[in-house]
Amino acid sequence: DIQMTQSPSSLSASVGDRVTITCRASQSISIYLNWYQQKPGKAPKLLIYAVSRLQSGVPSRFSGSGSGTDFTLTISSLQPEDFATYYCQQTYSTPPYTFGQGTKLEIK
Amino acid sequence: EVQLLESGGALVQPGGSLRLSCAASGFTFSSYAMSWVRQAPGKGLEWVSAISGTDGSTYYADSVKGRFTISRDNSKNTLYLQMNSLRAEDTAVYYCAKKYCSGGSCYSGVSWYFDLWGRGTLVTVSS
Repeated sequence: DIQMTQSPSSLSASVGDRVTITCRASQSISIYLNWYQQKPGKAPKLLIYAVSRLQSGVPSRFSGSGSGTDFTLTISSLQPEDFATYYCQQTYSTPPYTFGQGTKLEIK
Repeated sequence: EVQLLESGGALVQPGGSLRLSCAASGFTFSSYAMSWVRQAPGKGLEWVSAISGTDGSTYYADSVKGRFTISRDNSKNTLYLQMNSLRAEDTAVYYCAKKYCSGGSCYSGVSWYFDLWGRGTLVTVSS
């Protein structure tokens, strides 16, 4: 099975900061990498699919990059509503479609 | 309105059984593969099981294989998860999620993602 490792596990930042979250796959997953945002008590919400494609309605301050095994989610200027937990997910080939362990983004 | 609504979560004893349901509305349910994803209290997301929209192919995480069964009734627009031999480590919020393929057509090599999630239903396994 493909393992997904996110770093850091938690991150403190301030409104207006630029933040980068990293996701590493245990083998190459090409472009099959998605990012989700989850707020407490809510279902996950898709932000980015296929590494860098922004889901409709998601603010342009969110961006994704990478290929193969190493990927990043960047928030260019943090807004108060961005404080949440972020998960990467690989959808390469056959199941299981594993998620990273999550990165909790907290207010500094 | 396009939505998924899970039900069936409960407190159950170890070794017990439970069936979860996910009612879909606002889209052509039979056209989409569906999955169950769970989240233990304070933990991350874990993909549990998937079922195709058309041929009924099913897939399971190793942690539930042989104990859980995913199924669907396209005439009722409903997804199910039959959970048997439940363990304490199965305690979680269970979400159903709809798979969407980039461009709208699913074929080998296309990227896809979960574009619609339910609110979740809590399963607690405890004596």
